[in-house]
Amino acid sequence: AQKVTQAQTEISVVEKEDVTLDCVYETRDTTYYLFWYKQPPSGELVFLIRRNSFDEQNEISGRYSWNFQKSTSSFNFTITASQVVDSAVYFCALTGYNQGGKLIFGQGTELSVKP
Amino acid sequence: SAVISQKPSRDICQRGTSLTIQCQVDSQVTMMFWYRQQPGQSLTLIATANQGSEATYESGFVIDKFPISRPNLTFSTLTVSNMSPEDSSIYLCSVADRDSKNIQYFGAGTRLSVL
Repeated sequence: AQKVTQAQTEISVVEKEDVTLDCVYETRDTTYYLFWYKQPPSGELVFLIRRNSFDEQNEISGRYSWNFQKSTSSFNFTITASQVVDSAVYFCALTGYNQGGKLIFGQGTELSVKP
Repeated sequence: SAVISQKPSRDICQRGTSLTIQCQVDSQVTMMFWYRQQPGQSLTLIATANQGSEATYESGFVIDKFPISRPNLTFSTLTVSNMSPEDSSIYLCSVADRDSKNIQYFGAGTRLSVL
């Protein structure tokens, strides 16, 4: 069975603080894909990043960075120097190579960045 | 990425009625999916919309309650039938293509309230 756990339901930070959103996953697939999506108050899901199971390189995109560690089955997301516009619900998701595209989502972490 | 239009964006419906949600994509895509997001919850896959054949439903979702059509590679509909207040949710369609590296792109969603 596949499962994604985001243990942090809500995080509140002050603008310019760094914040890390945790994601732990379970899968029996040897080939799988991990994703992060952002859902602002408007409701639309915005794709942020995709990582496949064979690529453990960390990735940085502007103020965003991702740390993928297969040894701990984690795919954590860090926002550096947070801004009010980062306030949203962030979802981590997983699909296996033979899952027909079915995404398994974590429960989401609601991030609130206060000025 | 594909541009996805979902209609209506929101609706308020009476118990016992049905609502059809449309999802239009600006390019041909291999895969289309329908998700439900109950209030304050994560996303759950309802079904995969298959072009020219019956949709593939996930456990807990049935065709009589959520009939789906996909007449071509750019369009799909989801009907929520015989609605009850428990059907109040955000319904989202997503699309993916063989070239999109398993990345699913989402529409803005339909916010449904059932009285």
